[in-house]
Amino acid sequence: SAVISQKPSRDICQRGTSLTIQCQVDSQVTMMFWYRQQPGQSLTLIATANQGSEATYESGFVIDKFPISRPNLTFSTLTVSNMSPEDSSIYLCSVEDALSYEQYFGPGTRLTVT
Amino acid sequence: DAKTTQPPSMDCAEGRAANLPCNHSTISGNEYVYWYRQIHSQGPQYIIHGLKNNETNEMASLIITEDRKSSTLILPHATLRDTAVYYCIVSAGDNQGGKLIFGQGTELSVKP
Repeated sequence: SAVISQKPSRDICQRGTSLTIQCQVDSQVTMMFWYRQQPGQSLTLIATANQGSEATYESGFVIDKFPISRPNLTFSTLTVSNMSPEDSSIYLCSVEDALSYEQYFGPGTRLTVT
Repeated sequence: DAKTTQPPSMDCAEGRAANLPCNHSTISGNEYVYWYRQIHSQGPQYIIHGLKNNETNEMASLIITEDRKSSTLILPHATLRDTAVYYCIVSAGDNQGGKLIFGQGTELSVKP
């Protein structure tokens, strides 16, 4: 199974600023995903980030607000731009094992916007 | 939108089997049934998945009805550490870009 780390693990930010979250995997993977989990809610898929192509965003999420980079097969970043208190959530990245179709999730980044 | 329906919460006595139901009446022929769980303050953890046959691994068993419109996840001997939110997800895997669409899940409480 893949081991995923995220940085930072948590942060408190002021409204109007931006935060970049890093996701590092210990093996090369094609598919990476970014999710948001608002307080007390389930996970919502933000976008799919495949290396060598533009990220594909789900309905309700746009690149200007959540720009994503995927420079190689082990790393991705998600930026939360121009933050507001409504962006306070846990942000998680995940990767898919191409052989088993299992997804492995990072520990999450807990973001609080004041 | 999620394509599954699960009870919002269930209780189970420690050491007993936990049977978590899931309805997925609109499942397509190429869609798998996946189960994940999320223990408080952690990322979701893969449990098991299947297409049409029943599956078993070291964590759980997955029973899928013959018409594939519903399934049951079985934790044979629940422990306190199994207290978590359990998500049933249908997905076509790589045929839909590997996306997982999470519903609200079932909050399982294992009690001593």
